Amino acid sequence: KQEVTQIPAALSVPEGENLVLNCSFTDSAIYNLQWFRQDPGKGLTSLLLIQSSQREQTSGRLNASLDKSSGRSTLYIAASQPGDSATYLCAVSDTNAGKSTFGDGTTLTVKP
Amino acid sequence: DGGITQSPKYLFRKEGQNVTLSCEQNLNHDAMYWYRQDPGQGLRLIYYSQIVNDFQKGDIAEGYSVSREKKESFPLTVTSAQKNPTAFYLCASSRGRDQPQHFGDGTRLSIL
Repeated sequence: KQEVTQIPAALSVPEGENLVLNCSFTDSAIYNLQWFRQDPGKGLTSLLLIQSSQREQTSGRLNASLDKSSGRSTLYIAASQPGDSATYLCAVSDTNAGKSTFGDGTTLTVKP
Repeated sequence: DGGITQSPKYLFRKEGQNVTLSCEQNLNHDAMYWYRQDPGQGLRLIYYSQIVNDFQKGDIAEGYSVSREKKESFPLTVTSAQKNPTAFYLCASSRGRDQPQHFGDGTRLSIL
């Protein structure tokens, strides 16, 4: 059974700092990996989707990488801003019908 | 604007009562999903549907039921057999398993 772990559970950084969020998974037979952002009491917003054949995806200040062999993905946020404060979740989709397994998330606080 | 609408935003269940959560999408997506989120945790898959009139159990289907009679709609019923229904319920949809999942704003279910 796939297990997804995100460490740390919480992270606090000063504004302007570059940071990395980590996601690890136990079964490398994945179809894709997706990073989401969740604001308190809200649904999830998709940030980046990496297919299993890809190594990384970029969108603005965000860069996500995928290393299937080691079961790891990272989300890099450049020049962090207070508006980046949220919980970030990663989800791994299996090779069958698109079932996704989620990590518990990393709650990021960017201080002005 | 295209999107996913979940209703109601808040729902209260009495002992022994079944309640139904609504999820409607106008994105013309084939796949739809229901997740449960408990405080401080990631999402767990309840049911998913890849096409109309077909759905599959996720990891925690016991005490829940769904139907997929229309492409746009995927209602979730929380039955009285679900002994711990208090949670945040999220509905999602995607064009296919290699496409990003889009989420609604969720329904928060509590016990009276």
